[in-house]
Amino acid sequence: AQSVTQLGSHVSVSEGALVLLRCNYSSSVPPYLFWYVQYPNQGLQLLLKYTSAATLVKGINGFEAEFKKSETSFHLTKPSAHMSDAAEYFCAVSDFGNEKLTFGTGTRLTIIP
Amino acid sequence: DTAVSQTPKYLVTQMGNDKSIKCEQNLGHDTMYWYKQDSKKFLKIMFSYNNKELIINETVPNRFSPKSPDKAHLNLHINSLELGDSAVYFCASSQGTGRVGQPQHFGDGTRLSIL
Repeated sequence: AQSVTQLGSHVSVSEGALVLLRCNYSSSVPPYLFWYVQYPNQGLQLLLKYTSAATLVKGINGFEAEFKKSETSFHLTKPSAHMSDAAEYFCAVSDFGNEKLTFGTGTRLTIIP
Repeated sequence: DTAVSQTPKYLVTQMGNDKSIKCEQNLGHDTMYWYKQDSKKFLKIMFSYNNKELIINETVPNRFSPKSPDKAHLNLHINSLELGDSAVYFCASSQGTGRVGQPQHFGDGTRLSIL
């Protein structure tokens, strides 16, 4: 079964600093990978997805992620954090054939003014 | 126009009661899902329907019964509610029909609290 592991349940960065949220996947074949963001009391919103077209994926709100097969990683980055980035971030992997999403345990991002 | 809408947003009820949560999507998608998010924010899929047909049924107690009257609606009925059912339930949809790798669109969730 495919799975993802998010390292760090809480990450704090200063406003304007680099954001790095880590995600490692476990899959026997190239997976489909996603990053979602959840703001308080809201549903999940797609940030970006990897579907093997390009290893560097650009998403919304200035986020991007790089697929590294050798490291089985799909880390999320943003060059300069903004207060509005404070939220819960989820990495997810998609099964083949039934589109079942398996989520990581989430990383809460806090932005320090 | 809300793409995936769930009602109610909040549901407070007593143990042993039966309750339903409704979900509707106006994206023209073929596949709909129910997820449960626990108090630690962990998200787990419960059910998935493709064009009214059940395709994913995780190990969920049979007190939970999904119903899809048409491909734009997926409701969740819960019998004999228990304390452990307290969670946020999310509905989602995707294009489906074999189009793997499609993102899922989520509703805002229904926060269920069992007293």
